[in-house]
Amino acid sequence: EAGVAQSPRYKIIEKRQSVAFWCNPISGHATLYWYQQILGQGPKLLIQFQNNGVVDDSQLPKDRFSAERLKGVDSTLKIQPAKLEDSAVYLCASSYIGGYTFGSGTRLTVV
Amino acid sequence: SQKIEQNSEALNIQEGKTATLTCNYTNYSPAYLQWYRQDPGRGPVFLLLIRENEKEKRKERLKVTFDTTLKQSLFHITASQPADSATYLCAPGGSYIPTFGRGTSLIVHP
Repeated sequence: EAGVAQSPRYKIIEKRQSVAFWCNPISGHATLYWYQQILGQGPKLLIQFQNNGVVDDSQLPKDRFSAERLKGVDSTLKIQPAKLEDSAVYLCASSYIGGYTFGSGTRLTVV
Repeated sequence: SQKIEQNSEALNIQEGKTATLTCNYTNYSPAYLQWYRQDPGRGPVFLLLIRENEKEKRKERLKVTFDTTLKQSLFHITASQPADSATYLCAPGGSYIPTFGRGTSLIVHP
């Protein structure tokens, strides 16, 4: 079974620039999550999709972050404009029953 | 507000000993609790899920307990090996926003 694919693996941008991350979940997993993990902390949920509908986005900074999951398969997360405090690892996960399967994440550095 | 607490200090043990990690939660009653392992530069990997009506769950050298009265879960690794060195995260779940603790770093010395 193929895992959760994420790209890019690393990204360095200047503050106020925009960036996008892509995620392809495990085939058949209806639920997709985007998490932000700051160094030394646990993953923090940004947004949860069920198929192509949003289940929870209460912790997504909507003034700068956006996410979509067209056709209920892959998903993109965008930040525009980026701030220094957005430097983190952005993890995508999907689930069917039971635990989450995570991708390796995108490490974002904002300078 | 809902809170998850895991020891922020690293746990150092000798190879062959049993490692015990603690996860405490407050201000909610999760229907289940999950444990994950995270290695540097990688996403968390699911290990075990225990439901509120289960006292204990085992998988090979891993054992998890769930005490809903104490609002605590204990994660045990028996006969620990240097390869078990990683950060272990707990994640209470149910009808709540999926939330993770900050994790406890385990270092197993040969």
